[in-house]
Amino acid sequence: GESVGLHLPTLSVQEGDNSIINCAYSNSASDYFIWYKQESGKGPQFIIDIRSNMDKRQGQRVTVLLNKTVKHLSLQIAATQPGDSAVYFCAENASGNNRKLIWGLGTSLAVNP
Amino acid sequence: EAGVAQSPRYKIIEKRQSVAFWCNPISGHATLYWYQQILGQGPKLLIQFQNNGVVDDSQLPKDRFSAERLKGVDSTLKIQPAKLEDSAVYLCASSFRGGSTEAFFGQGTRLTVV
Repeated sequence: GESVGLHLPTLSVQEGDNSIINCAYSNSASDYFIWYKQESGKGPQFIIDIRSNMDKRQGQRVTVLLNKTVKHLSLQIAATQPGDSAVYFCAENASGNNRKLIWGLGTSLAVNP
Repeated sequence: EAGVAQSPRYKIIEKRQSVAFWCNPISGHATLYWYQQILGQGPKLLIQFQNNGVVDDSQLPKDRFSAERLKGVDSTLKIQPAKLEDSAVYLCASSFRGGSTEAFFGQGTRLTVV
């Protein structure tokens, strides 16, 4: 399943499928991007980050892709599990902005067993 | 390693009352953040401390919100008087150094103003 974070805030996928969560960022000067996962009743948890000199970075079951031309970021989750159900936020960070994070609106991922 | 501790977990108050939240960051983390998170939105930075000094409080409504980190460790965030629109989750986070590059978040305090 795939979503556009700002226009389709809810993504529903079947367990075992791959998930793609999209994010459009606003500042062309942003040089660092982070994906956070927030489970219900908990604070955000760091998942993976990427710097602007890269276009892809892989972690355990997660991959982040960065397209600076269209200012687009995506988070791919392989073999989605029920424990992946959460709200996912992308955040951008521009150098010289006191490294302040600018957060997106979030996408809710629901994994169906 | 112990995480960021916050209390209370939940608080319900009437408008115009006062409320205070407490945060104990991860040991050794010099940078402490307070965020406000309204349901369905990303966290909004209210204030950032580096040790006991304020780095950024540009989005803190200073007419009613105040925060302190007197000894560079624990911090308190106060709202006086509270308004209905202050209903939100207040998150505390800390990082080893500034930049929010990998901040660790507490579970938050859910405030309901009625």
